[in-house]
Amino acid sequence: KQEVTQIPAALSVPEGENLVLNCSFTDSAIYNLQWFRQDPGKGLTSLLLIQSSQREQTSGRLNASLDKSSGRSTLYIAASQPGDSATYLCAVSANEKLTFGTGTRLTIIP
Amino acid sequence: EAQVTQNPRYLITVTGKKLTVTCSQNMNHEYMSWYRQDPGLGLRQIYYSMNVEVTDKGDVPEGYKVSRKEKRNFPLILESPSPNQTSLYFCASSSGLTYTDTQYFGPGTRLTVL
Repeated sequence: KQEVTQIPAALSVPEGENLVLNCSFTDSAIYNLQWFRQDPGKGLTSLLLIQSSQREQTSGRLNASLDKSSGRSTLYIAASQPGDSATYLCAVSANEKLTFGTGTRLTIIP
Repeated sequence: EAQVTQNPRYLITVTGKKLTVTCSQNMNHEYMSWYRQDPGLGLRQIYYSMNVEVTDKGDVPEGYKVSRKEKRNFPLILESPSPNQTSLYFCASSSGLTYTDTQYFGPGTRLTVL
């Protein structure tokens, strides 16, 4: 059974810093890995999708990498802003299912 | 506007009173699914549907039913709700679940069962 882990559960950093969020998964037979953002009381918004054959994807200040062989992904956020404060979740797609990690709650301190 | 809608957004009910949470998408997606989100447990899949009249259990299907009579709708039914079904529920849809398919989520339904 696929298990997805995100460490740390919470992270606080000063505004302007670059930061990395981590995601690990146990079964490397995946179609893709997605990073989502969730604001309090809101739904999930897809940030980046990395196909299993890809190594990374970039969107603006966000860069996500995937190392399928080691079961790891990172989400790099450059020049963090207070508006980046949210919970970030990763999810892997395999066998008609999407399995989520429990998320990292990120707080950017102005 | 491409979107997934859920209704109601908030619901307080009592044990045993049947309820339905509706989910609708306007993107002609084939794949739809339901998740519940609980503190410390993350999002767990309840049921999913690969197409009309095709549904299958996710990780936590006990106490729930679904149907997929039309492509755009995927209601979640709680025949006899219990307090342990108090949770935040999300509906999601996508073109499929393969290499390039992004999931689109609804805004969530916060359910409280007393």
